[in-house]
Amino acid sequence: DQQVKQNSPSLSVQEGRISILNCDYTNSMFDYFLWYKKYPAEGPTFLISISSIKDKNEDGRFTVFLNKSAKHLSLHIVPSQPGDSAVYFCAASDTGTYKYIFGTGTRLKVLA
Amino acid sequence: DTAVSQTPKYLVTQMGNDKSIKCEQNLGHDTMYWYKQDSKKFLKIMFSYNNKELIINETVPNRFSPKSPDKAHLNLHINSLELGDSAVYFCASSRGTGIQETQYFGPGTRLLVL
Repeated sequence: DQQVKQNSPSLSVQEGRISILNCDYTNSMFDYFLWYKKYPAEGPTFLISISSIKDKNEDGRFTVFLNKSAKHLSLHIVPSQPGDSAVYFCAASDTGTYKYIFGTGTRLKVLA
Repeated sequence: DTAVSQTPKYLVTQMGNDKSIKCEQNLGHDTMYWYKQDSKKFLKIMFSYNNKELIINETVPNRFSPKSPDKAHLNLHINSLELGDSAVYFCASSRGTGIQETQYFGPGTRLLVL
């Protein structure tokens, strides 16, 4: 039962362009969403989050959009840089539990 | 200094053996977690401790037993290892149990059971 899905296993983008990573979820109880970034041989690191009371959250080059009716969120990276090349995990949670449910990740490659 | 550290980084062992993975955090956090990332790349919570008390215990075989000697440490002991236990195990910590508390992950322990 995969409650959080990242349907694109990989994405390649030219440096300076926009990267858009997508995530879908099925559980309508989820009310908090996060993106983590992971480099090889390292653990995931927190990138940005959004609560269900918002539809957008920005932090520098990173913006997360939430569409609750579609149960969809996306991460936009503008402009993309080669150092952004990593695996990006989407995660979701609800305030009734203490746990995150992660997607399977999207590998982003930013080409110089 | 590494905030969340795990030892060992790599572990290759035979089926049926018992092994332990150690985790330490120096962030002063109250909550610690163990996650398993399997071959399909699913990252799933296994256990969580808050102030040395177990608060999350997912459907994990009894062969897996977490132990928290103090708030800064959460070790994972695995008995009678099976081929399906091969995975990357990540430890994480957070200031508290609220879902808006950022979780900080260790570098992972790559376990291969032969």
